[in-house]
Amino acid sequence: AQKITQTQPGMFVQEKEAVTLDCTYDTSDQSYGLFWYKQPSSGEMIFLIYQGSYDEQNATEGRYSLNFQKARKSANLVISASQLGDSAMYFCAMREGSNDYKLSFGAGTTVTVRA
Amino acid sequence: DAGVIQSPRHEVTEMGQEVTLRCKPISGHNSLFWYRQTMMRGLELLIYFNNNVPIDDSGMPEDRFSAKMPNASFSTLKIQPSEPRDSAVYFCASSLPSLEETEAFFGQGTRLTVV
Repeated sequence: AQKITQTQPGMFVQEKEAVTLDCTYDTSDQSYGLFWYKQPSSGEMIFLIYQGSYDEQNATEGRYSLNFQKARKSANLVISASQLGDSAMYFCAMREGSNDYKLSFGAGTTVTVRA
Repeated sequence: DAGVIQSPRHEVTEMGQEVTLRCKPISGHNSLFWYRQTMMRGLELLIYFNNNVPIDDSGMPEDRFSAKMPNASFSTLKIQPSEPRDSAVYFCASSLPSLEETEAFFGQGTRLTVV
């Protein structure tokens, strides 16, 4: 069964606008971690932001914030004030304590920022 | 620390040949992951190790693939014999086995082409 679901294969956003990337996850664990990574066209995987299942506040890192809705099992990434350099593939990932900290990724969402 | 180091960065080989990909994790990280990335299948977890022990190899496509971690500072992924459908980018990542904010750090990847 798919653990991480990213339903948006690709998105376009205008420069300086905000964009929300959807991520839903499936786990029966009470303790887990959620991550977002960016992969630009150069290919490297860049860690962006982390949300722990027990964190009561949404995580933020600069222009990145995570809209964590635990009851809905969603962890959407919000990129504010989009820049051309934000054009990349974005992956949502999860680690589960009961699963020996296995790190599983979603299919990814390609974001293209338009000038 | 130099980060996760993978070698080679690029490998072109003929069908039927043995291919060995190498990974040096970040010192102190005792979780290591091997991923394969293709356009068709996205980012697939092949195998991961905790404390040098393989925990889950269910993602290894078939018996032609094998992975080892003889010590905490080195891992290999071997394909024997290689086939054109093995062409992909192979990533190694390392982290601490924890649900705290311990993201996985990725190597630059090995782009494998089997002709």
